[in-house]
Amino acid sequence: DAGITQSPRHKVTETGTPVTLRCHQTENHRYMYWYRQDPGHGLRLIHYSYGVKDTDKGEVSDGYSVSRSKTEDFLLTLESATSSQTSVYFCAISESVENYGYTFGSGTRLTVV
Amino acid sequence: GESVGLHLPTLSVQEGDNSIINCAYSNSASDYFIWYKQESGKGPQFIIDIRSNMDKRQGQRVTVLLNKTVKHLSLQIAATQPGDSAVYFCAESLGGYQKVTFGIGTKLQVIP
Repeated sequence: DAGITQSPRHKVTETGTPVTLRCHQTENHRYMYWYRQDPGHGLRLIHYSYGVKDTDKGEVSDGYSVSRSKTEDFLLTLESATSSQTSVYFCAISESVENYGYTFGSGTRLTVV
Repeated sequence: GESVGLHLPTLSVQEGDNSIINCAYSNSASDYFIWYKQESGKGPQFIIDIRSNMDKRQGQRVTVLLNKTVKHLSLQIAATQPGDSAVYFCAESLGGYQKVTFGIGTKLQVIP
C-alpha cells in the first residue's frame, strides 16, 4: 500500500485499556479516514479528517477519538477498549472529497480480551 | 450493498473464463459507485468507478455495468487469472465523505 502505513499491524489488548492506532501517509492528501471491518458488515466509518486539526465523527464513532496534528499522521484512540471493538481497522486517504477511490492501508487487527 | 450473514457469497470460476460479480445497492439517490478488491490480509484496493450518468465503464480487463432501474451494479472480469482471487465489494455514495456505504463483498475463487 504505497504511501500509507498503519501501525501496529496486530495488537492484543485487555478490556479497559487505552489503545492508539497510527496511520501515516506520504502522499500529502488532505482527507484521511478510519474504518472498521467486521464479518457480516461492510466497512464502517469511525472518524474522518479534512485537514490538520479538522476531524468529524462517522457512523460508529462511540468509544473512539482521533487526532491529526500533522498532515501525514492520523491517530485513532480507543479510550477504554471493549470486546466489541475487536476488529480490523483500516485507514484510508483521498485527495479530494469528490474522489472516493480511496487508498487504504494494510490494516490493524485488534483483539480485545 | 448486500445484507448477508457472516459467510461471504462465493463465486468459483475456471482460470481463463470471464467472471461476473453482482451488487445490489440500496439507495436510488446514490450517484457514484466504486468497486474494490481485497486480498487476504490486505487493505481494499480501488478497481474502477462509475457515475450515475453512465451505464457502462471499461478498464483494463474489467467492466462495470450500472442498472439504475433495478439498483444493480456488476463487475465483469475478463480472462480471470489466479491473481484475481480476492473479495470484491462495491461501494455507493450519495456525495460527501460521510455518505459512502460499502457492501460486504463476494469472494472470487479462481480454479487453476
